Amino acid sequence: GAVVSQHPSWVICKSGTSVKIECRSLDFQATTMFWYRQFPKQSLMLMATSNEGSKATYEQGVEKDKFLINHASLTLSTLTVTSAHPEDSSFYICSARDVTSESNEQFFGPGTRLTVL
Amino acid sequence: GQNIDQPTEMTATEGAIVQINCTYQTSGFNGLFWYQQHAGEAPTFLSYNVLDGLEEKGRFSSFLSRSKGYSYLLLKELQMKDSASYLCAVMDSNYQLIWGAGTKLIIKP
Repeated sequence: GAVVSQHPSWVICKSGTSVKIECRSLDFQATTMFWYRQFPKQSLMLMATSNEGSKATYEQGVEKDKFLINHASLTLSTLTVTSAHPEDSSFYICSARDVTSESNEQFFGPGTRLTVL
Repeated sequence: GQNIDQPTEMTATEGAIVQINCTYQTSGFNGLFWYQQHAGEAPTFLSYNVLDGLEEKGRFSSFLSRSKGYSYLLLKELQMKDSASYLCAVMDSNYQLIWGAGTKLIIKP
């Protein structure tokens, strides 16, 4: 099956620093990737939809200048949390859709746990 | 607005059967997904229904009725490792997934 990887798996950083998270589709091309955030005991919250070669579409309430998304190739999207603060500590998960698949399934990366001190 | 409803929590006994229901109201429909998520991990795909009826896959089955905006996930021969959250998600007309809050399933010996 299709595989999506994320790097890093977990990161601890100081308040005010920036953190970059990579999401890669390993064996398929993903014109669209999705970035989610999940706080403890809550469901997934879509942050933005990342489209290859164009600007990301952000959900209401998500600051595009704080969460920078770049989708420069068909297999890589990056999320940069700029000037991170403790309230940004969360589980960040990306997913990718295989446009050639009839199932419309989204394949999830393993997630990145961010802790901001 | 768009809405996905599923129970917050369910408890079942090892070896038994449990049915987790999901009702939805969305703008358009391009399929319904069930995902399993263990604590601290990303969701993993369980099933996809786009046509009415039952899809069986081993111990797990998923049913869809588009006219009723209803689906269920059926888990048979429950095992302790099935303790997890089960997420129902509907893909709308924009091919965006609308997520339910998840059902936490607790399996007791």
